Amino acid sequence: GAGVSQSPSNKVTEKGKDVELRCDPISGHTALYWYRQSLGQGLEFLIYFQGNSAPDKSGLPSDRFSAERTGGSVSTLTIQRTQQEDSAVYLCASSLSPSYEQYFGPGTRLTVT
Amino acid sequence: GEDVEQSLFLSVREGDSSVINCTYTDSSSTYLYWYKQEPGAGLQLLTYIFSNMDMKQDQRLTVLLNKKDKHLSLRIADTQTGDSAIYFCAESNNAGNMLTFGGGTRLMVKP
Repeated sequence: GAGVSQSPSNKVTEKGKDVELRCDPISGHTALYWYRQSLGQGLEFLIYFQGNSAPDKSGLPSDRFSAERTGGSVSTLTIQRTQQEDSAVYLCASSLSPSYEQYFGPGTRLTVT
Repeated sequence: GEDVEQSLFLSVREGDSSVINCTYTDSSSTYLYWYKQEPGAGLQLLTYIFSNMDMKQDQRLTVLLNKKDKHLSLRIADTQTGDSAIYFCAESNNAGNMLTFGGGTRLMVKP
């Protein structure tokens, strides 16, 4: 079946602009996660959604970062007023439920110039 | 807090076994995972082990878990050039809603 998909695959933006990154989880997966992979910080957890519950935002690095998940499916990660340190690969994952294995999408490579 | 450590690099010859090691600190982890990342690609789930197990075998892959020492290893038998990639171990938190990753081990397989 279809895996986790993310778009765009690459995004180049100017410092100060806002960006939106999209994630389509595997159909039927109730849990959705965002992670960030950067050279200096490795793989970091950002945010987690489970069903209609309030998201766990404990990993978001600043208030410029926000995410939503509409209808319990597609999720959008928004970064406002991008900075150069936001350059990274943003990875989305989904799982059948929180205690099940997480499957990752191919990621969106964000470059802030 | 949680911390997951891996060695940075491993080089083996094709046909040999590879052993990638990982240590973790969160004793309440329920699952431990191994992911593979090839250049320019996302993370591919290779295998995982539940914390009450000490071994899991899946074809060429063997996972060993020493819960007392908080040590996890991944053995790849008959390593092939296609196994060249970065391997990440990860632990889940008690709620199972967050993974903490190691820094990754780059495996290079020489023909």
